[in-house]
Amino acid sequence: NAGVMQNPRHLVRRRGQEARLRCSPMKGHSHVYWYRQLPEEGLKFMVYLQKENIIDESGMPKERFSAEFPKEGPSILRIQQVVRGDSAAYFCASSPRGGDTEAFFGQGTRLTVV
Amino acid sequence: GQQLNQSPQSMFIQEGEDVSMNCTSSSIFNTWLWYKQDPGEGPVLLIALYKAGELTSNGRLTAQFGITRKDSFLNISASIPSDVGIYFCAGWDGGSNYKLTFGKGTLLTVNP
Repeated sequence: NAGVMQNPRHLVRRRGQEARLRCSPMKGHSHVYWYRQLPEEGLKFMVYLQKENIIDESGMPKERFSAEFPKEGPSILRIQQVVRGDSAAYFCASSPRGGDTEAFFGQGTRLTVV
Repeated sequence: GQQLNQSPQSMFIQEGEDVSMNCTSSSIFNTWLWYKQDPGEGPVLLIALYKAGELTSNGRLTAQFGITRKDSFLNISASIPSDVGIYFCAGWDGGSNYKLTFGKGTLLTVNP
């Protein structure tokens, strides 16, 4: 049973470009969570999605950031017009249901904005 | 949202020693999770706790779900160099929107 798959592992973007981060949850998991981690810091919640629905996006900046989890295919975290401050590690986790269960993380995408 | 206070922030120990770290919350959690993160990698789930008072082991790791449901402890016995890493506690925010809240982590260094 494959784990949570994220790609790319590393992404370099110039300021102003768009970054698209992909996350395929574990088989059988329909709940996806995105987190951001800055160096030497903990994981900050960004958004929680179920298939075709955004359940909680309270941790995601209102501008330039968006997320989706379509009926088919991976979850996508999109960052438009990236700035240097967007440089971070972005992790995706999945769970079989929402809350009070195990959640498994992918290996992350390290975004560097130059 | 709920806040998790994790301590200590960092620990420096000798190989073979036992380690203990804990996590407290201002609110009740129904589930506690403990993760380990190695540099450049994603968090790896170590132990999940679902009941108040529950004590669960995974090899040399033992974690407990506090009776008050506001705290949890992780113990590592007979530490080895590969135990080095950052340990995070996490709990599910059981409000109307479920999200996993993390502590700030405990950085463990093991001197051989």
